Amino acid sequence: QKEVEQNSGPLSVPEGAIASLNCTYSDRGSQSFFWYRQYSGKSPELIMSIYSNGDKEDGRFTAQLNKASQYVSLLIRDSQPSDSATYLCAAPWGLNSGGYQKVTFGIGTKLQVIP
Amino acid sequence: GAVVSQHPSRVICKSGTSVKIECRSLDFQATTMFWYRQFPKKSLMLMATSNEGSKATYEQGVEKDKFLINHASLTLSTLTVTSAHPEDSSFYICSARHLYGRRNEQFFGPGTRLTVL
Repeated sequence: QKEVEQNSGPLSVPEGAIASLNCTYSDRGSQSFFWYRQYSGKSPELIMSIYSNGDKEDGRFTAQLNKASQYVSLLIRDSQPSDSATYLCAAPWGLNSGGYQKVTFGIGTKLQVIP
Repeated sequence: GAVVSQHPSRVICKSGTSVKIECRSLDFQATTMFWYRQFPKKSLMLMATSNEGSKATYEQGVEKDKFLINHASLTLSTLTVTSAHPEDSSFYICSARHLYGRRNEQFFGPGTRLTVL
């Protein structure tokens, strides 16, 4: 089983709708989770971090964490064409040989917001 | 805050040459920096973890003699691709973890697109 799993999409939503992006993870010990947005040809940009069960809201973005189900989601309200990008879910995954915490990324879900 | 720069943004070189990429945290100190590679329509692949003042830790399958990493200070890490070949052509991205920031948050540089002819 992959450490972090996402549906690669594309997920198409009309402008103004709510986009719902989902992610599951395999390490029950993970304590922190991240959503990154990556535009085509660009590097990822951190948009949300979540550390505890429940919802965390920041503007049009809401991250939801359910540790019992090992499930993280990102909701984007009032979706705009500028939200069209690939959204990467990330979670800590083990230690490297030097003893440092690694973060593993999902393959990313491509979101298309249709005007 | 949390700005990471990378230089150069794009490089084209001949096969057999070496290419050096710099990663800098501009407004914060970073104990740890990470180097990733991303092929088109693929996810990020962690290559190595770079820690200030110590040797880098490489992921399985990444040749440490080919991808030389130096983390000279809390704001600078460099990746040198030695004797580059066309199969090394990729998008190389660094990220930095804030010394006093939230656990495991990483901030990415803009990336360097390497093309080896």
